Amino acid sequence: EDKVVQSPLSLVVHEGDTVTLNCSYEVTNFRSLLWYKQEKKAPTFLFMLTSSGIEKKSGRLSSILDKKELFSILNITATQTGDSAIYLCAVQNRDDKIIFGKGTRLHILP
Amino acid sequence: EAQVTQNPRYLITVTGKKLTVTCSQNMNHEYMSWYRQDPGLGLRQIYYSMNVEVTDKGDVPEGYKVSRKEKRNFPLILESPSPNQTSLYFCASSYSRGHGGNEKLFFGSGTQLSVL
Repeated sequence: EDKVVQSPLSLVVHEGDTVTLNCSYEVTNFRSLLWYKQEKKAPTFLFMLTSSGIEKKSGRLSSILDKKELFSILNITATQTGDSAIYLCAVQNRDDKIIFGKGTRLHILP
Repeated sequence: EAQVTQNPRYLITVTGKKLTVTCSQNMNHEYMSWYRQDPGLGLRQIYYSMNVEVTDKGDVPEGYKVSRKEKRNFPLILESPSPNQTSLYFCASSYSRGHGGNEKLFFGSGTQLSVL
């Protein structure tokens, strides 16, 4: 059965800390892995990863995929209170099925 | 402005009273999908559509119907809602995957449904 597992489920850190969020997957016919940020309501897109070892970066956020070990990490450096959100990992296979993990709830303390 | 529009944002109803949640996108996306989000369970796919008149079941289709008569619209129908369908619902769309399109999903603002 296809599955996406995120860890930790919840994380509380102080502003300025660096956090690493994990996403492991077991999906047949992998096509891509995507990260989303969900604040108040709708998830918003962060990164799409298709190739191993190539880091995607956007400001203080970065992500990398390891297709051999079947996982991805999302790093956030110098965290700010505005980074508080649920971070969702999703994997898509070549049959167009998208499987989401349960998310990591990140809370940044001022 | 490119967007996915869902209506209503909040809905309280009673068991058995048919309802429809509308979803419309203005980006000419081929792919549209419905999800429900429940605490501890994450986002689960209900139905998806690759194009007009093409729909497929996701992971939790029971109790739901969809239709895709036009490219821009993808309504979610609950013929006889039950309390276990109380949830936060999201509609999402993207370009087609089959043609190497961008797989980034655009989400609507969500519909919080309560079935009493």
